[in-house]
Amino acid sequence: EIVMTQSPATLSVSPGEGATLSCRASQSVKTNVAWYQQKPGQAPRLLIFGSSTRATGIPARFSGSGSGTDFTLTISSLQSEDFAVYYCQQYNTWPPLTFGGGTKVEIK
Amino acid sequence: QVQLVESGGGVVQPGRSLRLSCAASGFNFSTNDMHWVRQAPGKGLEWVAVISFDGNHNYYADSVKGRLTISRDNSKNTIYLQMNSLRGEDTAVYYCAKNLRGYYFDYWGRGTLVTVST
Repeated sequence: EIVMTQSPATLSVSPGEGATLSCRASQSVKTNVAWYQQKPGQAPRLLIFGSSTRATGIPARFSGSGSGTDFTLTISSLQSEDFAVYYCQQYNTWPPLTFGGGTKVEIK
Repeated sequence: QVQLVESGGGVVQPGRSLRLSCAASGFNFSTNDMHWVRQAPGKGLEWVAVISFDGNHNYYADSVKGRLTISRDNSKNTIYLQMNSLRGEDTAVYYCAKNLRGYYFDYWGRGTLVTVST
């Protein structure tokens, strides 16, 4: 099973600032990584797939990068609606499909 | 627009059974693989199972293998999760999710809460 490790667990950011979230895979997953945003009481929403391709309707301030074992989600200028929990997921080697433990982006 | 609506959750005693349903609309259901993903209270996401578009193939997380069974009825645009021998650690919100291409999830339902407790 591929283990996905996200860091940090919590990120405190002021509105308008940028944020960088990390995700590391226990072995290479090529670029087969997706990122999701989840707000309290809501289902997750797909942000990024293929490590760097934004899903339909996702603002350009969200960008993804990385390959192999190290991946990054960058939010260029945080808006109020971006404060949420973010999960990475690998789909290179499965079953099982596996998620990281999440990074909570909170208001500083 | 795509809609996924889960139902069937509730409170159940350990060892008992429950069946969840997910009704889909707004897309060509019979050509899409579908998943169940769960989230324990205050915890992260855990993939549970996937079923192929035609129902001929399915895969499970080790934690549920032999106890939970995914199925689908393409005539009803619905997937199911039969949950047997339930345990406390099965307590979670269960989401159904639509598969996109390489096995990530482009649409999710709002979830249904299953609580396993005496």
